[in-house]
Amino acid sequence: GDSVTQMEGPVTLSEEAFLTINCTYTATGYPSLFWYVQYPGEGLQLLLKATKADDKGSNKGFEATYRKETTSFHLEKGSVQVSDSAVYFCALSDPGSNYQLIWGAGTKLIIKP
Amino acid sequence: DAGVIQSPRHEVTEMGQEVTLRCKPISGHNSLFWYRQTMMRGLELLIYFNNNVPIDDSGMPEDRFSAKMPNASFSTLKIQPSEPRDSAVYFCASSWDLGGRYDNEQFFGPGTRLTVL
Repeated sequence: GDSVTQMEGPVTLSEEAFLTINCTYTATGYPSLFWYVQYPGEGLQLLLKATKADDKGSNKGFEATYRKETTSFHLEKGSVQVSDSAVYFCALSDPGSNYQLIWGAGTKLIIKP
Repeated sequence: DAGVIQSPRHEVTEMGQEVTLRCKPISGHNSLFWYRQTMMRGLELLIYFNNNVPIDDSGMPEDRFSAKMPNASFSTLKIQPSEPRDSAVYFCASSWDLGGRYDNEQFFGPGTRLTVL
């Protein structure tokens, strides 16, 4: 079945460092891919998405490119801030999952000043 | 605009008691999702509705759990009887979905933190 694998956390970085959070997927069809973010004490919110190969989703300085050849959707940001500290979830949907969202385990990001 | 509203925000109860969690989705949304989040198991989809009809409840852990959506603006998740292993944060989310797809942006409520003693 469909699945999403994220790098384990926590990921700890200093402010202004470069961020990469890895996400790879397994899907039977051609999925849409998503990153959601959960700030402390809150529900999840959509950060960015991409619906076809080579699409780049971007928002709030974060970017992720849909790589079909490597089945990946890694999240990147050039210079992180303390306010980026949160849990980041990668997810996919495709016909094989009846278009439900299939979630990764989440990666906790800690940014130190 | 009000987002997804959940109540209560915190619930502490004793094992064996009935617990009812409530959710008001964003007005105009036609899909509603109930999730459970724990450290051990991460984020789990319990059940989702489209146009007030349950579409998939395969994530409901057992018969002690039930969910209803009597109208477009209200849903409940009930646990009876509750057990300590039900302790978790329960999220409700809503979205606007068409054509059998359920992957449009989901808007999450703030969650209900349930503790069963």
